[in-house]
Amino acid sequence: QPVLTQPPSSSASPGESARLTCTLPSDINVGSYNIYWYQQKPGSPPRYLLYYYSDSDKGQGSGVPSRFSGSKDASANTGILLISGLQSEDEADYYCMIWPSNASGVFGGGTKLTVL
Amino acid sequence: EVQLVQSGAEVKKPGESLKISCKGSGYSFTSYWIGWVRQMPGKGLEWMGIIYPGDSDTRYSPSFQGQVTISADKSISTAYLQWSSLKASDTAMYYCARAPCGGDCYSDYWGQGTLVTVSS
Repeated sequence: QPVLTQPPSSSASPGESARLTCTLPSDINVGSYNIYWYQQKPGSPPRYLLYYYSDSDKGQGSGVPSRFSGSKDASANTGILLISGLQSEDEADYYCMIWPSNASGVFGGGTKLTVL
Repeated sequence: EVQLVQSGAEVKKPGESLKISCKGSGYSFTSYWIGWVRQMPGKGLEWMGIIYPGDSDTRYSPSFQGQVTISADKSISTAYLQWSSLKASDTAMYYCARAPCGGDCYSDYWGQGTLVTVSS
């Protein structure tokens, strides 16, 4: 199973933007996969946020604000979650995921986002 | 409203067996895959496997193949995750999730989680 690499932590101030990354191994092309993003707050199950394949193929989870958006950096083989207009309630763990086989998905290790 | 309601927390001893459940409602249970995800204490998320209740097609992550059994009873809209012989390392929160699958799968609705504690 591939390993998706996420920075363990990130921080930003309210009102600013947070850019969370999810780097795929070099033998897997980020351009070939939907990148899914989840938010998890302490004591709660994960919440589906969105997926991103391309600018013409993306989707938002039910009730997820538009200030959460996805993108890719092909040169870095990386999926990106951008959270604009940060709010204190955005403080959480964020996980990326891909589905590389017909049997199972793979999550990244997660990034703990602190809103300063 | 889509809901996945999981069975309650369990405390077991090593070597014991266990079956936890996940009851779906608010959607056609037989039309979506159901997945199970493990979260060990203080750690990240791990896909364990998925099942299609419509025909019980089941697929396991390589890390969990042979370690657990996933099943479903479509007559009562319930999926199950079971162990035949628990180990202390099975201590974790287990989530079920509805998994829409097209070219790939993801999880859009999640259960509240079942905490399994294995300790002598």
